Amino acid sequence: DIVMTQTPSSQAVSAGEKVTMSCKSSQSLLYSENKKNYLAWYQQKPGQSPKLLISWASTRESGVPDRFIGSGSGTDFTLTISSVQAEDLAVYYCEQYYDTPFTFGSGTKLEIK
Amino acid sequence: EVQLVESGGGLVQPGRSLKLSCAASGFTFSNYYMAWVRQAPKKGLEWVATISTSGSRTYYPDSVKGRFTISRDNAKSSLYLQMNSLKSEDTATYYCARTVAISAFDYWGQGVMVTVSS
Repeated sequence: DIVMTQTPSSQAVSAGEKVTMSCKSSQSLLYSENKKNYLAWYQQKPGQSPKLLISWASTRESGVPDRFIGSGSGTDFTLTISSVQAEDLAVYYCEQYYDTPFTFGSGTKLEIK
Repeated sequence: EVQLVESGGGLVQPGRSLKLSCAASGFTFSNYYMAWVRQAPKKGLEWVATISTSGSRTYYPDSVKGRFTISRDNAKSSLYLQMNSLKSEDTATYYCARTVAISAFDYWGQGVMVTVSS
């Protein structure tokens, strides 16, 4: 199974600050035939269902604010929030869909100071 | 508007069975793969099952293979999860999710709670 490791497990930032969180996979998620990384980022706010933010490592979903930026390739990926807002309080999960079983990271909890 | 509404959860004893349903609307159900993802209380997300558009292909992790069965009725725009031989570790909120073939889960339901306890 592909293991997804997210760091940090939690972080607290002030509104307006930039935040980055990491997701590392135990094997490459880059499919050579189409040059796509099979990696997604989800946001789960308290008491809510997960919401897809980014797929294919860097493709932002429609309606997702452009302050959310996904980057990386192969085994190392990053989610950046360029200017954190109060409503970004949530747990952020990465997920690989390169191979079954599809696996999620343990999440990064974002707290607002 | 895409809507996924799960039902069928509840309290069940270990070893018993339960069937979850997910009613889909707002999109052409038969064009999409569908999946179940669960989340144990205060824990992370775990993929449970995926089914192809026609239902001919199904995928499971080892943790539920042989116990859980995913199915769909495209005429009713409905997704199902038959859960047999339930264990305490199956206690979780179960989410129905949409996916385009093998890709990210782009829409999620609100979830339904399943508690396995004697």
